[in-house]
Amino acid sequence: NAGVTQTPKFQVLKTGQSMTLQCAQDMNHNSMYWYRQDPGMGLRLIYYSASEGTTDKGEVPNGYNVSRLNKREFSLRLESAAPSQTSVYFCASAYRGNTEAFFGQGTRLTVV
Amino acid sequence: SQQGEEDPQALSIQEGENATMNCSYKTSINNLQWYRQNSGRGLVHLILIRSNEREKHSGRLRVTLDTSKKSSSLLITASRAADTASYFCATDDLGGSARQLTFGSGTQLTVLP
Repeated sequence: NAGVTQTPKFQVLKTGQSMTLQCAQDMNHNSMYWYRQDPGMGLRLIYYSASEGTTDKGEVPNGYNVSRLNKREFSLRLESAAPSQTSVYFCASAYRGNTEAFFGQGTRLTVV
Repeated sequence: SQQGEEDPQALSIQEGENATMNCSYKTSINNLQWYRQNSGRGLVHLILIRSNEREKHSGRLRVTLDTSKKSSSLLITASRAADTASYFCATDDLGGSARQLTFGSGTQLTVLP
């Protein structure tokens, strides 16, 4: 099984550009998450989705939008990238919100 | 703000020694989890302890949970160089319409050969 697949692995954007980070899981999980990881900050939750058709804001949602396209896929969109959004982004999924989470390998995003 | 806070932020030990990391959290939880992250990689789940459990073991890992103090500890016994990684605690925080998984800032463990 592939588990959680994120694309792309690396991306460089210019300030003001937009892009969508893709995430897909093949474990029939209900919950999916997007986190960002900055040096010394640990993981901060951007958005999460407890089930298909629902999304909730996390700790740092400003500047991002998400879409739970179906049970498998949860995308994260940056409408107008800013240098402050330079980070490593992780997608994760879990059967439920309080069970073991499985992580993708991350997307390293640089905004110049 | 983040739910969990790990202590210490960094820990350096010799191979064969035990490593202890602590986590404190703020609100009531159903369970607490520990994850490991190797440099440049995604997080990997290590162990989950439920709020009605006080101690749990998995191989060389021992986790304790004290809900009265809102704290947990992760003990790695007989450490190996391959244990070098960052370790994070995570709690299921009730936010919005459903439980969300919230991580602390992590402990960077270095095991010297």
